[in-house]
Amino acid sequence: DAGITQSPRYKITETGRQVTLMCHQTWSHSYMFWYRQDLGHGLRLIYYSAAADITDKGEVPDGYVVSRSKTENFPLTLESATRSQTSVYFCASKASYNQPQHFGDGTRLSIL
Amino acid sequence: GDSVTQMEGPVTLSEEAFLTINCTYTATGYPSLFWYVQYPGEGLQLLLKATKADDKGSNKGFEATYRKETTSFHLEKGSVQVSDSAVYFCALSPQGGSEKLVFGKGTKLTVNP
Repeated sequence: DAGITQSPRYKITETGRQVTLMCHQTWSHSYMFWYRQDLGHGLRLIYYSAAADITDKGEVPDGYVVSRSKTENFPLTLESATRSQTSVYFCASKASYNQPQHFGDGTRLSIL
Repeated sequence: GDSVTQMEGPVTLSEEAFLTINCTYTATGYPSLFWYVQYPGEGLQLLLKATKADDKGSNKGFEATYRKETTSFHLEKGSVQVSDSAVYFCALSPQGGSEKLVFGKGTKLTVNP
């Protein structure tokens, strides 16, 4: 039961570079989410997806791009990374509307 | 809009002490309520949940009761252990369900031996 896997766990990159964070879940959950976690801000929703090919903006979508061509994958791309995007990023999934979310272990991203 | 307010931390306790972490919410109707726990270096894990008024969620010695009259969902444990040191998040899902969860800002708990 692999659950939800994020990769890489740690990433260091430079401003202006493109970086993609991967999220893969083995449950065939319909819903997937991307959050960022920062001190003083708690968890903030970046994007979410209700099904393959359906995505929607969350609270802080600027500077991020997502896609969901397959149910099990939900990559998050920073097209031109900025220092303010240094954060810990969490992916989550849930089976249906009323079910709780399940989280991956996170990706710690540092942008120099 | 919907919101969740948690007591600010950090909270520091000695082993075997009683724990309460306060959580109140603002939402219409009867949302579902959750507590998540985040251990160092890990993602959030669902600790317990309650989906209707007066429900009590429980897991690993932790309990929380859904109080509609006070719009609260306080987390309690009778005797904490060092291994309970973590960040605890209260969250709600609006009545009828929602794609999204509304999270509190989290409360960091440290338990000393």
